[in-house]
Amino acid sequence: KQEVTQIPAALSVPEGENLVLNCSFTDSAIYNLQWFRQDPGKGLTSLLLIQSSQREQTSGRLNASLDKSSGRSTLYIAASQPGDSATYLCAVRRGGKGTYKYIFGTGTRLKVLA
Amino acid sequence: DAGITQSPRHKVTETGTPVTLRCHQTENHRYMYWYRQDPGHGLRLIHYSYGVKDTDKGEVSDGYSVSRSKTEDFLLTLESATSSQTSVYFCAIWAGGLYNEQFFGPGTRLTVL
Repeated sequence: KQEVTQIPAALSVPEGENLVLNCSFTDSAIYNLQWFRQDPGKGLTSLLLIQSSQREQTSGRLNASLDKSSGRSTLYIAASQPGDSATYLCAVRRGGKGTYKYIFGTGTRLKVLA
Repeated sequence: DAGITQSPRHKVTETGTPVTLRCHQTENHRYMYWYRQDPGHGLRLIHYSYGVKDTDKGEVSDGYSVSRSKTEDFLLTLESATSSQTSVYFCAIWAGGLYNEQFFGPGTRLTVL
């Protein structure tokens, strides 16, 4: 059974720091991995999608990497800003034909202090 | 926002009453999902649909049923609501294809008293 873990559960950093959020999964047979951002009381916003054949994806100050063999993905946020404060979730889509289910981690709650 | 709306956005109901939540999408996507989000559990899949009248169970499907009679609408029904079903419910779509992401609706906050 696929399990997805995000550590730490919460993180507080001063503005301007570069930071790394971690996502671990137990079964390396994944189709893709997606990172989301969730603001309090809101829905999820897609940040980056990495296919199982890719090593990383970049969007602006965000860079996500994927190491399937070790069951890890990291989300790198450069030059953090107070507006980056939110909960960040990763989700793994299972591999194999006909598997359309996603398994979510419990998220990392990030607070960037001005 | 991929054209996803959920209704109602907030609902308070009593134990034992039936409740139906609606997810509506405007972009004709094939795959639709219902999740619940609870503190300490993250998002958990309840049911999903891969086409009109084609649905399958997720990891927490007990006490829930779904229906999809039109591509654009995916309904989640709690036949007899219980306090343990107090949660925030999210609908999502996946457009299919290699590089397509999953997109989420704004959520419905359900309280069962």
